[in-house]
Amino acid sequence: DTGVSQNPRHKITKRGQNVTFRCDPISEHNRLYWYRQTLGQGPEFLTYFQNEAQLEKSRLLSDRFSAERPKGSFSTLEIQRTEQGDSAMYLCASSLARGQAYGYTFGSGTRLTVV
Amino acid sequence: EDQVTQSPEALRLQEGESSSLNCSYTVSGLRGLFWYRQDPGKGPEFLFTLYSAGEEKEKERLKATLTKKESFLHITAPKPEDSATYLCAVLAARGAQKLVFGQGTRLTINP
Repeated sequence: DTGVSQNPRHKITKRGQNVTFRCDPISEHNRLYWYRQTLGQGPEFLTYFQNEAQLEKSRLLSDRFSAERPKGSFSTLEIQRTEQGDSAMYLCASSLARGQAYGYTFGSGTRLTVV
Repeated sequence: EDQVTQSPEALRLQEGESSSLNCSYTVSGLRGLFWYRQDPGKGPEFLFTLYSAGEEKEKERLKATLTKKESFLHITAPKPEDSATYLCAVLAARGAQKLVFGQGTRLTINP
């Protein structure tokens, strides 16, 4: 297992287009998280899953954002009708249910640029 | 509302010059305080978790300490490869699973 994998690494899209990102967590981790990070800021929580259930969503996650984790394995984050303000690094992390001692393992992120 | 503030925003040191980074937090019950290192274009890399005031953790040239209101990341005799952004985050006791991050300290070690 090579850690948390995110694809694509970079995405450039025109305003108004839809984009989808994929995250493959560490296989034995049952919790998966999405964060968003803008330049010079720390990551901000978007949503998290325990297995296939989406248990918490941030106010940052507007109606244009949707996340899924079918069968509790990989996850996708879709942004519809992208806006320039959506430009950011989108980070995925995973952990065990009681994983605080080991932290949350982050992927390398997907950098989205909306032009 | 849970809040994390890190200082300074940026710090330049000469190789071998020890210093400390600060993380002040306000949280309604602390389940854990995390330190991460982030290199440009990469995701955060886990360093430490601290759970209660008085706790300390060490890893190579880094030592993290925790009080009831803040945490320090002490860097002893740093090397250029320690250059990175260091992020602090808290996990609150109230049920939620989200980490609340500070804005980070960008550390540069000059050879």
